[in-house]
Amino acid sequence: KQEVTQIPAALSVPEGENLVLNCSFTDSAIYNLQWFRQDPGKGLTSLLLIQSSQREQTSGRLNASLDKSSGRSTLYIAASQPGDSATYLCAVLDSNYQLIWGAGTKLIIKP
Amino acid sequence: DTEVTQTPKHLVMGMTNKKSLKCEQHMGHRAMYWYKQKAKKPPELMFVYSYEKLSINESVPSRFSPECPNSSLLNLHLHALQPEDSALYLCASSQAGQSNQPQHFGDGTRLSIL
Repeated sequence: KQEVTQIPAALSVPEGENLVLNCSFTDSAIYNLQWFRQDPGKGLTSLLLIQSSQREQTSGRLNASLDKSSGRSTLYIAASQPGDSATYLCAVLDSNYQLIWGAGTKLIIKP
Repeated sequence: DTEVTQTPKHLVMGMTNKKSLKCEQHMGHRAMYWYKQKAKKPPELMFVYSYEKLSINESVPSRFSPECPNSSLLNLHLHALQPEDSALYLCASSQAGQSNQPQHFGDGTRLSIL
């Protein structure tokens, strides 16, 4: 059974720092890995999607990597801003075409 | 602004009431989803519709009844809910069978059962 783990559960950093969020999964039989952002009381916004054949994707200050063989992904945020404060969730699309979710990392960027 | 629209944004209902949650998208997506999310937890999949047919029902109690009237609309009918059903209900849509496309989420309906 696929399990997705995110570390750390919470992270607080000063504005301007670069940071890395981690995601690991137990079964490498995935179609893709997705990173989402969720603001309090809101829905989820897709940030990056990495297909199983890809190694990384970039969007602006965000870069996500995927190492399928080791079951790991990282989300790198450069030059963090207070507006980046949110909960970040990773999810893998499994062989049944269902998203299996991590519990999320709550990120706080201090001005 | 989200491309998936959910109404109402908030709903308070008693355990004997009947209400419906609505979801609409105009992106031409043929897969639509209902999720339930409790506070500080990830979303839990409830139902999946693919080409307007129910393809996945994750052992959801019968007091939740989904309906997909057409390719743009998804409803969730609620009846005789329990206090533990209070949660954020999220609708999502995606291109059916396309692993290179993400799911798009609405902002959800915050449901409170008295």
